[in-house]
Amino acid sequence: DTAVSQTPKYLVTQMGNDKSIKCEQNLGHDTMYWYKQDSKKFLKIMFSYNNKELIINETVPNRFSPKSPDKAHLNLHINSLELGDSAVYFCASSQGLVATEAFFGQGTRLTVV
Amino acid sequence: DAKTTQPTSMDCAEGRAANLPCNHSTISGNEYVYWYRQIHSQGPQYIIHGLKNNETNEMASLIITEDRKSSTLILPHATLRDTAVYYCIVRVSSYTGNQFYFGTGTSLTVIP
Repeated sequence: DTAVSQTPKYLVTQMGNDKSIKCEQNLGHDTMYWYKQDSKKFLKIMFSYNNKELIINETVPNRFSPKSPDKAHLNLHINSLELGDSAVYFCASSQGLVATEAFFGQGTRLTVV
Repeated sequence: DAKTTQPTSMDCAEGRAANLPCNHSTISGNEYVYWYRQIHSQGPQYIIHGLKNNETNEMASLIITEDRKSSTLILPHATLRDTAVYYCIVRVSSYTGNQFYFGTGTSLTVIP
């Protein structure tokens, strides 16, 4: 059973396109996150959601719009994709905002050409 | 934003202890030290965390200096499957919850 699952695993698209990455967790957690890992392997938080409400937006461009239809899902929609958006995007979840541990998905490798 | 510094890479012989150092000289009194690892093409995986005292679990031990400015993750008997990037992280707590600030990590290679 996959705890945190993301789709697709790989995504190649052209500049200017709009794309979405889906994330689902079956752990019963109420807090979900999106992280971006760049080419230098630096992992940086983008958003956190608690009970479907946005808690943190770490200076991410407006082209990135997370959507949480329910506590088990946090999707990431990206408009007008740019070359610099190429990265691996990780979804994660935890129980509560003050949880001691976050569980990560396998990542989505986005390549913008 | 990263609050930790780690060596870029390390090697360890299979079966020996792997000692991974981390500096977090600006850590605050209520900030925890966490370790995660990332095996190639997978998401980060939790290993261990601590505040002041040394901690041990089934995966590893965490040694935190008395001044809390540095710590060491110890994998007692490294195996080939322990080859991964190890991230030392300071967990920052605020009114918005806990945030994990990852650094660039140490790439550990376990050699047969």
